Amino acid sequence: DAGVIQSPRHEVTEMGQEVTLRCKPISGHNSLFWYRQTMMRGLELLIYFNNNVPIDDSGMPEDRFSAKMPNASFSTLKIQPSEPRDSAVYFCASSPTSGMSIYNEQFFGPGTRLTVL
Amino acid sequence: SQKIEQNSEALNIQEGKTATLTCNYTNYSPAYLQWYRQDPGRGPVFLLLIRENEKEKRKERLKVTFDTTLKQSLFHITASQPADSATYLCALRGTGRRALTFGSGTRLQVQP
Repeated sequence: DAGVIQSPRHEVTEMGQEVTLRCKPISGHNSLFWYRQTMMRGLELLIYFNNNVPIDDSGMPEDRFSAKMPNASFSTLKIQPSEPRDSAVYFCASSPTSGMSIYNEQFFGPGTRLTVL
Repeated sequence: SQKIEQNSEALNIQEGKTATLTCNYTNYSPAYLQWYRQDPGRGPVFLLLIRENEKEKRKERLKVTFDTTLKQSLFHITASQPADSATYLCALRGTGRRALTFGSGTRLQVQP
Protein backbone atom coordinates (compact mmCIF):
# COMPACT_ATOMS: atom_id res chain seq x y z
CA ASP A 1 0.00 0.00 0.00
CA ALA A 2 1.29 3.46 -0.89
CA GLY A 3 0.02 5.00 2.31
CA VAL A 4 -1.70 8.36 2.49
CA ILE A 5 -0.81 10.47 -0.54
CA GLN A 6 -0.74 14.25 -0.45
CA SER A 7 -0.08 16.77 -3.17
CA PRO A 8 1.62 19.05 -3.71
CA ARG A 9 4.48 18.45 -1.28
CA HIS A 10 5.45 22.11 -1.38
CA GLU A 11 3.43 25.15 -2.34
CA VAL A 12 4.58 28.75 -2.47
CA THR A 13 1.97 31.34 -3.27
CA GLU A 14 1.26 35.00 -2.84
CA MET A 15 -1.17 36.49 -0.42
CA GLY A 16 -4.68 36.57 -1.80
CA GLN A 17 -4.29 33.56 -4.07
CA GLU A 18 -6.37 30.42 -3.81
CA VAL A 19 -4.60 27.29 -2.59
CA THR A 20 -5.88 23.73 -2.95
CA LEU A 21 -4.30 20.83 -1.10
CA ARG A 22 -5.14 17.26 -2.06
CA CYS A 23 -5.25 13.98 -0.19
CA LYS A 24 -5.82 10.36 -1.11
CA PRO A 25 -6.44 8.23 1.99
CA ILE A 26 -5.48 4.59 2.38
CA SER A 27 -7.95 2.37 0.57
CA GLY A 28 -10.57 0.98 2.93
CA HIS A 29 -10.11 3.67 5.57
CA ASN A 30 -13.35 5.48 6.26
CA SER A 31 -12.12 8.33 8.45
CA LEU A 32 -10.06 11.20 7.10
CA PHE A 33 -8.47 14.07 9.00
CA TRP A 34 -6.85 17.37 8.03
CA TYR A 35 -4.27 18.83 10.43
CA ARG A 36 -2.10 21.92 10.43
CA GLN A 37 1.29 22.03 12.13
CA THR A 38 3.27 25.12 13.12
CA MET A 39 6.04 25.71 15.61
CA MET A 40 3.83 28.00 17.66
CA ARG A 41 0.65 25.94 17.81
CA GLY A 42 1.84 22.40 17.20
CA LEU A 43 -0.42 19.89 15.44
CA GLU A 44 -4.02 21.10 15.25
CA LEU A 45 -7.00 19.22 13.89
CA LEU A 46 -8.86 21.28 11.31
CA ILE A 47 -11.63 18.94 10.21
CA TYR A 48 -12.43 15.28 9.99
CA PHE A 49 -14.71 13.19 7.81
CA ASN A 50 -16.32 9.87 8.43
CA ASN A 51 -17.67 7.98 5.42
CA ASN A 52 -17.13 11.16 3.35
CA VAL A 53 -19.32 13.26 5.68
CA PRO A 54 -17.78 16.13 7.67
CA ILE A 55 -18.23 15.34 11.35
CA ASP A 56 -16.38 18.12 13.12
CA ASP A 57 -15.08 21.27 11.47
CA SER A 58 -14.70 23.30 14.65
CA GLY A 59 -10.96 23.49 14.08
CA MET A 60 -11.27 25.28 10.75
CA PRO A 61 -9.81 28.74 11.41
CA GLU A 62 -12.29 30.80 9.46
CA ASP A 63 -14.46 30.96 6.38
CA ARG A 64 -11.43 31.22 4.15
CA PHE A 65 -10.87 27.51 4.76
CA SER A 66 -13.08 24.83 3.24
CA ALA A 67 -12.75 21.08 2.86
CA LYS A 68 -14.53 18.53 0.74
CA MET A 69 -14.55 14.80 0.37
CA PRO A 70 -16.48 13.96 -2.81
CA ASN A 71 -15.69 10.25 -2.56
CA ALA A 72 -13.90 7.74 -0.37
CA SER A 73 -10.60 8.13 -2.16
CA PHE A 74 -10.15 11.88 -2.40
CA SER A 75 -10.32 15.01 -0.27
CA THR A 76 -9.34 18.64 -0.75
CA LEU A 77 -8.57 21.49 1.61
CA LYS A 78 -8.95 24.91 0.05
CA ILE A 79 -7.81 28.29 1.32
CA GLN A 80 -9.27 31.31 -0.42
CA PRO A 81 -7.89 33.93 -0.12
CA SER A 82 -4.61 32.80 1.42
CA GLU A 83 -2.74 34.92 3.98
CA PRO A 84 0.85 34.77 5.28
CA ARG A 85 -0.38 33.45 8.63
CA ASP A 86 -1.65 30.35 6.83
CA SER A 87 1.95 29.28 6.24
CA ALA A 88 2.34 25.86 7.86
CA VAL A 89 2.64 22.16 7.11
CA TYR A 90 -0.74 20.62 6.37
CA PHE A 91 -1.17 16.92 7.06
CA CYS A 92 -3.85 14.55 5.95
CA ALA A 93 -4.40 11.35 7.93
CA SER A 94 -6.74 8.40 7.56
CA SER A 95 -7.96 5.75 9.96
CA PRO A 96 -9.81 2.47 9.59
CA THR A 97 -12.62 3.51 11.90
CA SER A 98 -16.29 4.01 11.68
CA GLY A 99 -17.16 6.79 14.01
CA MET A 100 -14.42 8.69 15.76
CA SER A 101 -12.65 6.41 18.17
CA ILE A 102 -9.26 7.06 19.59
CA TYR A 103 -8.91 3.29 19.67
CA ASN A 104 -7.60 3.17 16.12
CA GLU A 105 -4.31 4.60 15.00
CA GLN A 106 -4.12 7.32 12.42
CA PHE A 107 -1.92 7.04 9.34
CA PHE A 108 -0.43 10.36 8.29
CA GLY A 109 0.63 11.50 4.87
CA PRO A 110 3.95 13.27 4.21
CA GLY A 111 2.36 16.71 4.47
CA THR A 112 2.21 19.79 2.25
CA ARG A 113 4.48 22.65 3.24
CA LEU A 114 2.62 25.86 2.40
CA THR A 115 4.33 29.22 2.24
CA VAL A 116 2.22 32.30 1.64
CA LEU A 117 4.27 35.38 0.77
CA SER B 1 -9.20 24.75 30.04
CA GLN B 2 -7.99 21.48 28.57
CA LYS B 3 -4.28 21.18 28.22
CA ILE B 4 -1.73 18.58 27.14
CA GLU B 5 1.83 19.30 28.21
CA GLN B 6 5.02 17.76 26.96
CA ASN B 7 8.46 19.02 27.80
CA SER B 8 9.33 21.52 25.09
CA GLU B 9 13.03 21.26 25.82
CA ALA B 10 14.94 18.63 23.90
CA LEU B 11 16.04 15.54 25.77
CA ASN B 12 19.64 14.58 25.12
CA ILE B 13 20.84 11.17 26.25
CA GLN B 14 23.68 8.80 25.58
CA GLU B 15 23.26 5.73 23.41
CA GLY B 16 22.31 2.68 25.46
CA LYS B 17 20.54 4.65 28.17
CA THR B 18 16.81 4.71 28.80
CA ALA B 19 14.93 7.75 27.54
CA THR B 20 11.84 8.81 29.48
CA LEU B 21 9.38 11.30 28.04
CA THR B 22 6.43 12.79 29.91
CA CYS B 23 2.91 13.69 28.87
CA ASN B 24 0.74 15.53 31.40
CA TYR B 25 -2.85 16.53 30.83
CA THR B 26 -5.45 18.62 32.63
CA ASN B 27 -9.23 18.71 32.35
CA TYR B 28 -9.37 15.55 30.28
CA SER B 29 -10.83 12.18 31.12
CA PRO B 30 -9.33 10.18 28.28
CA ALA B 31 -10.30 6.58 27.75
CA TYR B 32 -7.10 6.07 25.74
CA LEU B 33 -3.83 7.74 25.04
CA GLN B 34 -1.59 7.30 22.01
CA TRP B 35 2.08 7.99 21.31
CA TYR B 36 3.45 8.95 17.89
CA ARG B 37 6.92 9.51 16.50
CA GLN B 38 7.67 12.30 14.03
CA ASP B 39 10.86 12.67 12.02
CA PRO B 40 11.80 16.00 10.38
CA GLY B 41 9.87 16.60 7.17
CA ARG B 42 7.55 13.66 7.76
CA GLY B 43 4.14 12.96 9.21
CA PRO B 44 3.68 11.40 12.65
CA VAL B 45 3.83 7.62 12.88
CA PHE B 46 1.76 5.70 15.44
CA LEU B 47 3.72 3.79 18.07
CA LEU B 48 1.54 2.66 20.95
CA LEU B 49 -1.92 2.98 22.41
CA ILE B 50 -2.74 2.48 26.10
CA ARG B 51 -6.21 2.28 27.58
CA GLU B 52 -7.23 3.87 30.88
CA ASN B 53 -7.54 0.48 32.57
CA GLU B 54 -4.02 -0.50 31.51
CA LYS B 55 -1.16 0.59 33.73
CA GLU B 56 1.58 -0.36 31.31
CA LYS B 57 2.06 -1.39 27.69
CA ARG B 58 5.18 -2.70 26.01
CA LYS B 59 6.34 -3.09 22.44
CA GLU B 60 9.91 -4.20 21.83
CA ARG B 61 12.11 -1.51 23.43
CA LEU B 62 9.17 0.80 24.08
CA LYS B 63 7.15 1.02 27.28
CA VAL B 64 4.24 3.32 28.07
CA THR B 65 2.60 3.88 31.44
CA PHE B 66 -0.69 5.61 32.11
CA ASP B 67 -1.61 7.02 35.51
CA THR B 68 -5.11 8.50 35.44
CA THR B 69 -4.76 9.71 39.04
CA LEU B 70 -1.65 11.73 38.26
CA LYS B 71 -3.04 12.51 34.80
CA GLN B 72 0.24 11.50 33.30
CA SER B 73 1.73 9.11 30.77
CA LEU B 74 5.39 8.17 30.63
CA PHE B 75 7.04 6.90 27.46
CA HIS B 76 10.26 4.93 27.82
CA ILE B 77 12.76 3.81 25.22
CA THR B 78 15.25 1.32 26.62
CA ALA B 79 18.70 0.71 25.15
CA SER B 80 18.26 3.88 23.09
CA GLN B 81 19.96 4.21 19.72
CA PRO B 82 20.80 7.25 17.57
CA ALA B 83 18.06 6.08 15.21
CA ASP B 84 15.54 6.78 18.00
CA SER B 85 16.27 10.50 17.65
CA ALA B 86 12.98 12.15 16.69
CA THR B 87 10.09 14.14 18.15
CA TYR B 88 7.59 12.13 20.17
CA LEU B 89 3.98 13.27 20.47
CA CYS B 90 1.27 12.10 22.82
CA ALA B 91 -2.37 12.35 21.82
CA LEU B 92 -5.70 11.87 23.50
CA ARG B 93 -9.33 12.60 22.87
CA GLY B 94 -10.69 15.91 24.05
CA THR B 95 -13.78 16.01 26.25
CA GLY B 96 -16.89 16.63 24.23
CA ARG B 97 -15.01 16.32 20.99
CA ARG B 98 -14.65 13.07 19.18
CA ALA B 99 -11.18 13.83 17.89
CA LEU B 100 -7.56 13.43 18.88
CA THR B 101 -5.70 16.35 20.43
CA PHE B 102 -1.92 16.23 20.20
CA GLY B 103 0.68 17.54 22.60
CA SER B 104 3.40 19.77 21.21
CA GLY B 105 5.94 16.96 21.35
CA THR B 106 9.36 16.42 22.88
CA ARG B 107 12.46 16.14 20.75
CA LEU B 108 14.77 13.29 21.69
CA GLN B 109 18.42 13.31 20.66
CA VAL B 110 20.43 10.15 21.28
CA GLN B 111 24.16 10.72 21.14
CA PRO B 112 26.40 7.90 19.87
